[in-house]
Amino acid sequence: QKEVEQDPGPLSVPEGAIVSLNCTYSNSAFQYFMWYRQYSRKGPELLMYTYSSGNKEDGRFTAQVDKSSKYISLFIRDSQPSDSATYLCAILNRDDKIIFGKGTRLHILP
Amino acid sequence: DTGVSQDPRHKITKRGQNVTFRCDPISEHNRLYWYRQTLGQGPEFLTYFQNEAQLEKSRLLSDRFSAERPKGSFSTLEIQRTEQGDSAMYLCASSLVGAAYEQYFGPGTRLTVT
Repeated sequence: QKEVEQDPGPLSVPEGAIVSLNCTYSNSAFQYFMWYRQYSRKGPELLMYTYSSGNKEDGRFTAQVDKSSKYISLFIRDSQPSDSATYLCAILNRDDKIIFGKGTRLHILP
Repeated sequence: DTGVSQDPRHKITKRGQNVTFRCDPISEHNRLYWYRQTLGQGPEFLTYFQNEAQLEKSRLLSDRFSAERPKGSFSTLEIQRTEQGDSAMYLCASSLVGAAYEQYFGPGTRLTVT
C-alpha cells in the first residue's frame, strides 16, 4: 500500500461550485498534512498545512484531516477558472521527508 | 524575499552527457531539498541538506547523481552520464529546521535527455 493515495482525476466542475479533493494515507503516525497547488510546468505552491486532526481555513480554502479514517480533504469554495491546476496532497513522515500523492488535475469550467 | 530560484529552467542534453543544476534557497532557510517529478506523478524526494551537511539520500539517487551545498547557501545537483530515464522536472525546496512541513519550492529545472 502506498503511503499517500490520491485520485488523479481529471475533475471538472462549473465555476462557482464547491470543489472537494481527497487523499488517504496509510500510517497513523503522520502528524503534518499539506496541500500544494501546481500549475502546468511550474513548481508546487504551498497552500496550507494542518497539524493533527481538525480543520484549517484560509480564504476560500479549507483543509480537513480525519485521523480516525486516515483521510484528508481540501475544499475550495466559489471556485474560479484560475483555480484550475493540479492539487497535491502530502504528508510529512517521521524522517522529515514530504511524501506526495500523485496529484488531482482540476478544471474549473467558466 | 525572492523565494527559491533554480537555474537553468530548461536543459536539453544528449544521452551520456553530464549536467549540473543550481538552486538558491530562501536566504534564511537552512534546509534545502531536491525532488524529481515525472509526468503524472507527485514530486519524489531525492536528498536534503541541513546547512552544508547532506543528511539523507533516497534510493532513487543512483551513483550518477551527486549533490553539494558547499557553503550552506546554494546547492548544485549533478547528473553524470545522463540516460533517457533521467528526463524529468528537478525541483528544489527550502525550509527552516523544525518546519519541514513548510517547504517552499522553486520553479524547477526541466531536463530532457535525447
